[in-house]
Amino acid sequence: DVKVTQSSRYLVKRTGEKVFLECVQDMDHENMFWYRQDPGLGLRLIYFSYDVKMKEKGDIPEGYSVSREKKERFSLILESASTNQTSMYLCASTTTSTWAGGYTFGSGTRLTVV
Amino acid sequence: DAKTTQPTSMDCAEGRAANLPCNHSTISGNEYVYWYRQIHSQGPQYIIHGLKNNETNEMASLIITEDRKSSTLILPHATLRDTAVYYCIVASGTSYDKVIFGPGTSLSVIP
Repeated sequence: DVKVTQSSRYLVKRTGEKVFLECVQDMDHENMFWYRQDPGLGLRLIYFSYDVKMKEKGDIPEGYSVSREKKERFSLILESASTNQTSMYLCASTTTSTWAGGYTFGSGTRLTVV
Repeated sequence: DAKTTQPTSMDCAEGRAANLPCNHSTISGNEYVYWYRQIHSQGPQYIIHGLKNNETNEMASLIITEDRKSSTLILPHATLRDTAVYYCIVASGTSYDKVIFGPGTSLSVIP
């Protein structure tokens, strides 16, 4: 089975801290995604990546950056965490040969910024 | 905006079939219909997808209308573990940034 692993299930950070959320997939997928999920808003795409060192902005990239130095790893960075970034963060991956909807998701990281 | 419309919530008695509808009246010819579910505090899990033919796997069946403007996900014998939010999305192979997960349907399976 494809595994998408997110490094932390729960994280508490202080306002202004730099936060790294890590995601690793083990099936050589080309495409990786970061979403955030908030009550009543569904999943919103933050950033995605087609390949190593490539990134594309999603719907809500403000306040975030990403890094993809290796194919299996996609990191989401909150440069200066704010309370409005308190959310559930979900990483997903898919192959290029799979239709865009065929995602495998990680279990999520619930981030609280205080 | 999501390209699909689903009821906000549904109830289903344990052991009965759960039929979850989805409207996607603006679906394009190259777009598939995908269904996912999300159990509380976990990431979404893929269930099934289809283009125009009905599909069945070990988890569910997907019925797509002939005009492809709507579909129904069927869980044949719902169990308490099927309580989750179910998402219907439409997606092609080229527009990753256009894949939208809307609010979904919150299914409650009742003993």
